Amino acid sequence: RKEVEQDPGPFNVPEGATVAFNCTYSNSASQSFFWYRQDCRKEPKLLMSVYSSGNEDGRFTAQLNRASQYISLLIRDSKLSDSATYLCVVDSWGKLQFGAGTQVVVTP
Amino acid sequence: NAGVTQTPKFQVLKTGQSMTLQCAQDMNHNSMYWYRQDPGMGLRLIYYSASEGTTDKGEVPNGYNVSRLNKREFSLRLESAAPSQTSVYFCASRRPGESTDTQYFGPGTRLTVL
Repeated sequence: RKEVEQDPGPFNVPEGATVAFNCTYSNSASQSFFWYRQDCRKEPKLLMSVYSSGNEDGRFTAQLNRASQYISLLIRDSKLSDSATYLCVVDSWGKLQFGAGTQVVVTP
Repeated sequence: NAGVTQTPKFQVLKTGQSMTLQCAQDMNHNSMYWYRQDPGMGLRLIYYSASEGTTDKGEVPNGYNVSRLNKREFSLRLESAAPSQTSVYFCASRRPGESTDTQYFGPGTRLTVL
């Protein structure tokens, strides 16, 4: 079983719509959680950290459910520029575990 | 401030050839990392260096060696390349304080082994 699992998608989203997807992790001792964004053939870049109480950054909302061991990302009012692969990253004692990513395609 | 740089950007090797991937960061980070990314899989850690002078194996170290030349530079060497090492390689660094701080990635090296 993979340490971090994501639905690979693609999630096809009309511009202006809302999309949400989850990531599950296997290590209950994991301490920190992040969402990274990766554009085609580019390096991953931090989108946002995920805090226990949930957090927002503009149109992006991240949630953490420790009991069920998953994190989620919701994108509101999707823009064409949101098209990318979103990587779920879990930090366990300084070691980052990466999910394979969820592809989001925003269409006009 | 260039961040994390990697060379080369692209490379094609024949089976059995050797090469070194170079990585440098100008952010004064203590920790540096080498990952590989294959289709349908998350980034997998090859080797990391928590500080200058130390290196440790990650999840998939076989077939690779590393050198932490100084605080800025961390190189990855393939001694005898195999087709299974065809991948995109990313170098990353992490800022002092470590704990939950994020990693910054270089632009990647796309390696094909024929």
